[in-house]
Amino acid sequence: DTGVSQDPRHKITKRGQNVTFRCDPISEHNRLYWYRQTLGQGPEFLTYFQNEAQLEKSRLLSDRFSAERPKGSFSTLEIQRTEQGDSAMYLCASSVTTDTQYFGPGTRLTVL
Amino acid sequence: QKEVEQDPGPLSVPEGAIVSLNCTYSNSAFQYFMWYRQYSRKGPELLMYTYSSGNKEDGRFTAQVDKSSKYISLFIRDSQPSDSATYLCAMSAEYSSASKIIFGSGTRLSIRP
Repeated sequence: DTGVSQDPRHKITKRGQNVTFRCDPISEHNRLYWYRQTLGQGPEFLTYFQNEAQLEKSRLLSDRFSAERPKGSFSTLEIQRTEQGDSAMYLCASSVTTDTQYFGPGTRLTVL
Repeated sequence: QKEVEQDPGPLSVPEGAIVSLNCTYSNSAFQYFMWYRQYSRKGPELLMYTYSSGNKEDGRFTAQVDKSSKYISLFIRDSQPSDSATYLCAMSAEYSSASKIIFGSGTRLSIRP
């Protein structure tokens, strides 16, 4: 499968724990995006990388959130000191142009 | 008021019917309009992308943009049970600015066999 992959698909954690998600984009895509989607809502933009450079960050990305794309290939999103409000689907997308993004299946986070 | 409004549904229609999905928006600067389909437990999949006003057709799908009314539509002809999904509209005022893409909340569509 040459689509965007995300790992893990599901994560259950206790409040206060740290979690890390991984995204592997489509191989020739230099742009990578993270979104958060809560039930009954559309995706909300979190951050955007072009190659290894993080070019845009949303105000939603509090100081507990950090994202990296160290070699311009895969990316990680870490949430420190998780809160119940962090429970959501975290989506990764990749693209050649911003307008045609290809989404992965998402990581569903549940914070107890 | 949200920048992009979308009726959450659910919308249930019989197989073969024409489906009309709609979004309204308040920001007159939006120029780029997208429709995504999202199956349960999957990520969104881009269906249609249009720039400015007018119609665009792709197979059974037609996207329509009316900037004067700040209203966009997606029509699905000869609907199939496999079209059952949540449909998200998305729009942006700026080309190549991911942070400026605003998604609607999605309409759940069910096609009855």
